Amino acid sequence: GQNIDQPTEMTATEGAIVQINCTYQTSGFNGLFWYQQHAGEAPTFLSYNVLDGLEEKGRFSSFLSRSKGYSYLLLKELQMKDSASYLCAVRDSNYQLIWGAGTKLIIKP
Amino acid sequence: DAGITQSPRYKITETGRQVTLMCHQTWSHSYMFWYRQDLGHGLRLIYYSAAADITDKGEVPDGYVVSRSKTENFPLTLESATRSQTSVYFCASSERGADSGNTIYFGEGSWLTVV
Repeated sequence: GQNIDQPTEMTATEGAIVQINCTYQTSGFNGLFWYQQHAGEAPTFLSYNVLDGLEEKGRFSSFLSRSKGYSYLLLKELQMKDSASYLCAVRDSNYQLIWGAGTKLIIKP
Repeated sequence: DAGITQSPRYKITETGRQVTLMCHQTWSHSYMFWYRQDLGHGLRLIYYSAAADITDKGEVPDGYVVSRSKTENFPLTLESATRSQTSVYFCASSERGADSGNTIYFGEGSWLTVV
């Protein structure tokens, strides 16, 4: 079966750096997405990786290793507003998105 | 820029009743999707549509019906609601379905409780 694994919850301190990991086992691979979802709100797009390596976008970066079935989202200079769930999703060989259950990130002052 | 809107945002219904969740997008996106989100699960695809009058089942279609007579609307109907259908429902759209990097945009969600 297809599977996306992320930690359920993480805690970090304001101003620090946090890395959220995502491992996947899917039938084929056509890209990996990260979405941010604040409590009670819709998911919003953060990043997309289809080739190995690091994609940087301001305070957020996303890394992909296709051979290892692994990605991470790196958040720098954490702010209280970064408290949210972070969803990893992989597009499989049928171009369907397979979603992880999400990682709830708690930021403490 | 209205984007993608869902209604109702919150609904309580009784077991056995029919419920329709509405979804409207103003971007003329070809693809539209219905997901449900439950604690401990990732977003699960119920149905999707590649264009008007074309719909396909997703991962969890049982108990749901969709239609797409117009590009901008994609209603989801629970024919006879069950407690297991208590969930948050998200409608989403994307310009194209299969292209690399194609982003999915989500509506605000509809919170449905079946009692």
